[in-house]
Amino acid sequence: EPEVTQTPSHQVTQMGQEVILRCVPISNHLYFYWYRQILGQKVEFLVSFYNNEISEKSEIFDDQFSVERPDGSNFTLKIRSTKLEDSAMYFCASRGDEQFFGPGTRLTVL
Amino acid sequence: GQQLNQSPQSMFIQEGEDVSMNCTSSSIFNTWLWYKQDPGEGPVLLIALYKAGELTSNGRLTAQFGITRKDSFLNISASIPSDVGIYFCAGRLSGTYKYIFGTGTRLKVLA
Repeated sequence: EPEVTQTPSHQVTQMGQEVILRCVPISNHLYFYWYRQILGQKVEFLVSFYNNEISEKSEIFDDQFSVERPDGSNFTLKIRSTKLEDSAMYFCASRGDEQFFGPGTRLTVL
Repeated sequence: GQQLNQSPQSMFIQEGEDVSMNCTSSSIFNTWLWYKQDPGEGPVLLIALYKAGELTSNGRLTAQFGITRKDSFLNISASIPSDVGIYFCAGRLSGTYKYIFGTGTRLKVLA
């Protein structure tokens, strides 16, 4: 069964460093998403991506964040200069008829 | 921004009991999804709803898209220990791409 995959599963970084989180969406899906979940809280929408451009973004998704689909399979989230409050689980999701989530990347900013 | 109010926040039930949870909003949605999340893992899709009034089952799970399009409920019948986890509703507003998540219902099943 096709699934969304994410790497790495856990990323530890120093405050101010750049991180890139990677996702491989389900191959025939056209809509891609990044979400964030701070420990113990609900899942929060960050950004949606369709037809090689951002289709919608939340107020969380400020200039420190960017997304890219560098080739036909990968979908990346870059955080340019990480802050302590960026520590969270980051989930990629892709949507065909329905939206499926990846297993997440746990980002820890020290 | 738009809010999804999910209740109850948590519940302890005996194995074999039925469970009901719901999400409500002041906004109108054109899609409702229900997910289950285990600790440290991504949300797993349980049921998707696309039309007002739609009632859909997936095994012991049944979910309905409210007729006003502002709410949805999820029922779990004859709960078992592996039903333990956090259940989230997620709704997509008409004309948008994003899904808004509810605050979650933490379910604990006592054997």
